Amino acid sequence: GQNIDQPTEMTATEGAIVQINCTYQTSGFNGLFWYQQHAGEAPTFLSYNVLDGLEEKGRFSSFLSRSKGYSYLLLKELQMKDSASYLCAVRDSNYQLIWGAGTKLIIKP
Amino acid sequence: GAVVSQHPSWVICKSGTSVKIECRSLDFQATTMFWYRQFPKQSLMLMATSNEGSKATYEQGVEKDKFLINHASLTLSTLTVTSAHPEDSSFYICSARDLTGGEADTQYFGPGTRLTVL
Repeated sequence: GQNIDQPTEMTATEGAIVQINCTYQTSGFNGLFWYQQHAGEAPTFLSYNVLDGLEEKGRFSSFLSRSKGYSYLLLKELQMKDSASYLCAVRDSNYQLIWGAGTKLIIKP
Repeated sequence: GAVVSQHPSWVICKSGTSVKIECRSLDFQATTMFWYRQFPKQSLMLMATSNEGSKATYEQGVEKDKFLINHASLTLSTLTVTSAHPEDSSFYICSARDLTGGEADTQYFGPGTRLTVL
């Protein structure tokens, strides 16, 4: 079966750095996405990885290792507004998005 | 760019009534739109894939006669929840696939519709 694993919840301190991991087992791979979802709102697109390595976008970076079935989202200089759920999604060989359950990130002052 | 709107943003209805939710891609054409449902503190659940000009593809366990999907144009898909019951109360989110820009066929989400059935 297809499976995506992410931690359920993480806590970090304002101004610090946090890494949210995602491991996946899917039938084929056509890219990995990270989305941010604030409570009661729809997800917003953060990043996309299809090749191994690190993609940097301002305070957010995303890393992919296809051989390990592993990705992480790195958030730097954390701000209170970064408190949200972070969803990892993998596009399989049928171009379907397989969603992780999301990681709830709590930022403390 | 890549803006998706949904209407209404919230709706309260009586049990047994039908509710229509609209999803529009505002600045791009979307041959494919997706409808998701999300219960509190749970992950997104794909309900169906809506293809312009053809029948929607429903995920296993989703009743196609209860959740009617129409994708009549390249910018509009509608989801109608027929004979809604309290267990249908949920957050319904649509997304549209932008093939012409953005990053590699990314899905962009509408703001969601919160449905409460009394």
